[in-house]
Amino acid sequence: DTGVSQDPRHKITKRGQNVTFRCDPISEHNRLYWYRQTLGQGPEFLTYFQNEAQLEKSRLLSDRFSAERPKGSFSTLEIQRTEQGDSAMYLCASSSRNFTTSAKNIQYFGAGTRLSVL
Amino acid sequence: SQQGEEDPQALSIQEGENATMNCSYKTSINNLQWYRQNSGRGLVHLILIRSNEREKHSGRLRVTLDTSKKSSSLLITASRAADTASYFCATGSFKTIFGAGTRLFVKA
Repeated sequence: DTGVSQDPRHKITKRGQNVTFRCDPISEHNRLYWYRQTLGQGPEFLTYFQNEAQLEKSRLLSDRFSAERPKGSFSTLEIQRTEQGDSAMYLCASSSRNFTTSAKNIQYFGAGTRLSVL
Repeated sequence: SQQGEEDPQALSIQEGENATMNCSYKTSINNLQWYRQNSGRGLVHLILIRSNEREKHSGRLRVTLDTSKKSSSLLITASRAADTASYFCATGSFKTIFGAGTRLFVKA
């Protein structure tokens, strides 16, 4: 049983560079979420996919951020022209709508990608 | 901005003691969830309580929900050093909103 995997685990980049993160959800899960978490805070919702459709996007997501899930399986999160304020842990989670009403709200998280912008 | 607010922000107890964390939220909910996060790792789902439930148990965990006060509590009984982690409440089905968390430290 494989869980949610994220790659890379750590990324160090210089300000102004573009970065891309990948998330592979649990295979039978059709919902995928991206969150950002800074030190000492809870995860902040960024965006949500159901299959390949991006259904919700937070106002936190500036135009420099874009997420895709082209075939309804893995997803990528790209940050263009990174800024020091983008330094954070980026978490991916997945869930399934095929369970009972309660169980489908349960999200399974990956270990995250820690981004450091120098 | 976060919808859930946990209280206390940090809690330090001895192994074997009980730990209680509280969460308040702002809008009406269908359910409320609690997650645990070990340092530098992803979150792990602990328990979900529906809006029509008042109390729920899972092993050493006990969750209560008071929708009239828009609050929930998580009780961990007979704590262990391995319970050291951050605990978050979360609301919302898709656009999930997490609180800032309670950092629990259990001393052996």
